[in-house]
Amino acid sequence: AQSVSQHNHHVILSEAASLELGCNYSYGGTVNLFWYVQYPGQHLQLLLKYFSGDPLVKGIKGFEAEFIKSKFSFNLRKPSVQWSDTAEYFCAVIGASKIIFGSGTRLSIRP
Amino acid sequence: DTGVSQDPRHKITKRGQNVTFRCDPISEHNRLYWYRQTLGQGPEFLTYFQNEAQLEKSRLLSDRFSAERPKGSFSTLEIQRTEQGDSAMYLCASSPGQIYGYTFGSGTRLTVV
Repeated sequence: AQSVSQHNHHVILSEAASLELGCNYSYGGTVNLFWYVQYPGQHLQLLLKYFSGDPLVKGIKGFEAEFIKSKFSFNLRKPSVQWSDTAEYFCAVIGASKIIFGSGTRLSIRP
Repeated sequence: DTGVSQDPRHKITKRGQNVTFRCDPISEHNRLYWYRQTLGQGPEFLTYFQNEAQLEKSRLLSDRFSAERPKGSFSTLEIQRTEQGDSAMYLCASSPGQIYGYTFGSGTRLTVV
């Protein structure tokens, strides 16, 4: 069955620190991957997506993610976080007919 | 507003009552999805429509849950005989095709007391 694992439930960083959030997927078919973000009190928004081609995908707000097929991973990165990046981040994979989400990682930024 | 709209934003109901939520997707999107999200968890798939056809229902969806999309535009999700375990955020999303990802609404927060 398709699944997504996010092992970091809560990450706390200081402003300007670098960020990497882990995501591992399990899916036997063609892999299409997403990162979504949910800011406090707001709806889910698409950060970036991978379908094919360059495994390094750039998204909005300075985020990027790297698809590593051999490791079944799609980690999210940002070189320097800001307080406004405080949010919940969800990795997701397209299954047979719908998107399957991980359990999310809560990111807290210390000013 | 050209995004996905959900109504109501909040619903408090007594156990055993029926509730109905509405979702208005982006008009050009033929695919509509319902998800449920509880605190500390990612969204869980409930059901999916392509135009007016309901193509998939999750095993999580008991017989008390029903969804419709009568004209291929807006959708309703009804929960009959609500239970405390139904308390959650119910999310609607629409999409013109999976490769584009989904656009989510703000959700309806259900509290069953």
